[in-house]
Amino acid sequence: DSGVTQTPKHLITATGQRVTLRCSPRSGDLSVYWYQQSLDQGLQFLIQYYNGEERAKGNILERFSAQQFPDLHSELNLSSLELGDSALYFCASSVEGTGNEQYFGPGTRLTVT
Amino acid sequence: GQQLNQSPQSMFIQEGEDVSMNCTSSSIFNTWLWYKQDPGEGPVLLIALYKAGELTSNGRLTAQFGITRKDSFLNISASIPSDVGIYFCAGQWENNDMRFGAGTRLTVKP
Repeated sequence: DSGVTQTPKHLITATGQRVTLRCSPRSGDLSVYWYQQSLDQGLQFLIQYYNGEERAKGNILERFSAQQFPDLHSELNLSSLELGDSALYFCASSVEGTGNEQYFGPGTRLTVT
Repeated sequence: GQQLNQSPQSMFIQEGEDVSMNCTSSSIFNTWLWYKQDPGEGPVLLIALYKAGELTSNGRLTAQFGITRKDSFLNISASIPSDVGIYFCAGQWENNDMRFGAGTRLTVKP
């Protein structure tokens, strides 16, 4: 158990819908990272927040957005969902903003039908 | 997005054998990382490398940060059944953006 929690574990929704994935970092960690893992694209870094502010951006679509709240939990919002958005979404956390020692959560499996 | 070239894609080895996998890229990275992912779980960090030429060990695992900063390898010695899983390399730039390899799926036969 990494100490990072993610909810929900599974999510099934239809195309065009919007969903919110939630992540609670390990106690004391200030940085949260979001990743998408799909069969065809592999593991891709989406975005990082550090102490409430966006720190780094990767391959995140404009339909996706994230935020980190004052209690340091984070939410990833996915809108206008497409079939290709079906994937595992992981959250990771680290103490510092540099991000090397990242601890991954168990992931949310999103299925878009 | 740009991916790292990780090889081999899969390996089937006998328990007790040594394993070697590597990643190459056209990009220069500040940090190289190696992760292991078990089915249904998130990746777990195995080794982090911060300097070109650095050689770091973690138990039976050894990894090196290539001199050109464009490659890295991971060796596992004397493999055991619990080494089974998917191993990912990742390169990280100074701005914290990361790229992952496609993974090496390791199967260890007892």
